[in-house]
Amino acid sequence: NAGVTQTPKFQVLKTGQSMTLQCAQDMNHNSMYWYRQDPGMGLRLIYYSASEGTTDKGEVPNGYNVSRLNKREFSLRLESAAPSQTSVYFCASSEVGRSGELFFGEGSRLTVL
Amino acid sequence: AQRVTQPEKLLSVFKGAPVELKCNYSYSGSPELFWYVQYSRQRLQLLLRHISRESIKGFTADLNKGETSFHLKKPFAQEEDSAMYYCALRKRAGANNLFFGTGTRLTVIP
Repeated sequence: NAGVTQTPKFQVLKTGQSMTLQCAQDMNHNSMYWYRQDPGMGLRLIYYSASEGTTDKGEVPNGYNVSRLNKREFSLRLESAAPSQTSVYFCASSEVGRSGELFFGEGSRLTVL
Repeated sequence: AQRVTQPEKLLSVFKGAPVELKCNYSYSGSPELFWYVQYSRQRLQLLLRHISRESIKGFTADLNKGETSFHLKKPFAQEEDSAMYYCALRKRAGANNLFFGTGTRLTVIP
């Protein structure tokens, strides 16, 4: 099992460019998440999808869009990248229920110049 | 609003010494608390959750509702415990969002 797979692992963009981060999970989880991790800020939730066909905003959704393509895949799009979006992005998935355990991808390091 | 505070960005202890990573939270309800860990070159992963009352890799954490704390403790630190530790909160069982603290980097000195 690969678990949660994110691509790309590294990306450098110029201000104003667009890109999509891809995430796929093979654990048949209903819920998927996108977090960003910044120095001194911890992980902050950008968007999540509780189930296929639904998406909701998290703490820091501005400047991002998401698509829950199917149960496996949850993509994050930056339409017009800004230097403030330089960060490490993590995708995660979980099963709905009491456990609360999130399974994380390896992270994608994005630099916006 | 909820908040998770980890007051120490960096913590160094000698091998064999006790270790305590602090976590305080603010939330008016009855949250669930978790500790996640990220070892070097590994993914962020769950270490333990307060509802399980378990000991994982020698670590324990007790939820103190009076002090709104969920400190992580281990009596004898090992070198392999060196990692980044995050405390996290969710507002209720089944809630989707985990709120993370800013993390503490633990270094165990041989």
